[in-house]
Amino acid sequence: AAGVIQSPRHLIKEKRETATLKCYPIPRHDTVYWYQQGPGQDPQFLISFYEKMQSDKGSIPDRFSAQQFSDYHSELNMSSLELGDSALYFCASSNGGAGGSYEQYFGPGTRLTVT
Amino acid sequence: KQEVTQIPAALSVPEGENLVLNCSFTDSAIYNLQWFRQDPGKGLTSLLLIQSSQREQTSGRLNASLDKSSGRSTLYIAASQPGDSATYLCAVSDYKLSFGAGTTVTVRA
Repeated sequence: AAGVIQSPRHLIKEKRETATLKCYPIPRHDTVYWYQQGPGQDPQFLISFYEKMQSDKGSIPDRFSAQQFSDYHSELNMSSLELGDSALYFCASSNGGAGGSYEQYFGPGTRLTVT
Repeated sequence: KQEVTQIPAALSVPEGENLVLNCSFTDSAIYNLQWFRQDPGKGLTSLLLIQSSQREQTSGRLNASLDKSSGRSTLYIAASQPGDSATYLCAVSDYKLSFGAGTTVTVRA
């Protein structure tokens, strides 16, 4: 079965640079979520999109922005990177419409290292 | 704000012993609850999903219960194996997930 795809899997950037993370949800899933997991921490919700519209926002810094495109893939854009942005970034997707369970399926993550 | 707590933080057992992992949450207005497994530096593997209207869910050696009114869930893993060694995360959903800090399990051969 198709899973959530994230690219790139690893990314190394310097401070003050920008980074773009991509997520391709499971086909026919209507909601995409982004989570950040710092070293030794639990995942923290950043932002979500339902049918290409932002549906919820968590602890996402103003330096970050995200969008979902017409083909349902999503991108997380991160600017003015700081050392503290080094983390594992997960994308998840779910299907809630027409009796869907809202069970979230996670991608393998993008490991971002800021030096 | 939803607070999710997992006890114990770490657990070490001999192979064959049953595991009991606890999760508590402060806001009972949840849509569902998921249990995940995470290996070091790796992604999140969904183990079980319990809808808010359900009391338990089973998959193979795994059984999870949910008591929404008291804000508690328990994950039981029967007859543990060394391959079960990992961190287990509980997450409650009000559409977005709020995670606990996890229980790190070591199963000794």
